[in-house]
Amino acid sequence: GALVYQYPRRTICKSGTSMRMECQAVGFQATSVAWYRQSPQKTFELIALSTVNSAIKYEQNFTQEKFPISHPNLSFSSMTVLNAYLEDRGLYLCGARAGGWTEVFFGKGTRLTVV
Amino acid sequence: QQKVQQSPESLIVPEGGMASLNCTSSDRNVDYFWWYRQHSGKSPKMLMSIFSNGEKEEGRFTVHLNKASLHTSLHIRDSQPSDSALYLCAASTSGSWQLIFGSGTQLTVMP
Repeated sequence: GALVYQYPRRTICKSGTSMRMECQAVGFQATSVAWYRQSPQKTFELIALSTVNSAIKYEQNFTQEKFPISHPNLSFSSMTVLNAYLEDRGLYLCGARAGGWTEVFFGKGTRLTVV
Repeated sequence: QQKVQQSPESLIVPEGGMASLNCTSSDRNVDYFWWYRQHSGKSPKMLMSIFSNGEKEEGRFTVHLNKASLHTSLHIRDSQPSDSALYLCAASTSGSWQLIFGSGTQLTVMP
């Protein structure tokens, strides 16, 4: 079956430092990968959408300078949170899709705590 | 204002009862809706998707869609305690696969 592995599951970083999270698609080709952040209040925000061989599209309030993303092939994507601060806390989820109107498969998420 | 609005924010139903969740998009370009369920501490898992006007049923779950009003609803009959979770509605538009999520409805099924 189709699965998305996301790691690390949890991470704690000091304010002002950076951390990187990764997603691996298994059982399908992840043509597109979206990164989301779910706040402690459960609000779901789309950070950016990455499609292989296309430019990465960032949503308003999110920038490449803060959340650089790499999507080098059809099975892997990574995102870094640079200079993390308290407002960056939350559950970061990657969602991958093969294409068209197929289901989006989510990883289990990376919970970021900033201290 | 969020493009995808869900109501109610939270819902408590007794075991065996019917849970009804609502979702509306303010984006007229939306033409596909997805319902996801997220148990506490877990990632969202897709329940059902709907594209056409009308109704779609899978087991205890029924989804309705009214494309004219861009309103979809999820109904869970014979609710079980294991159905307690955050239910997320997401919408997408033709030509773009990105999903825009609502804030969710927290469902609690009381035994």
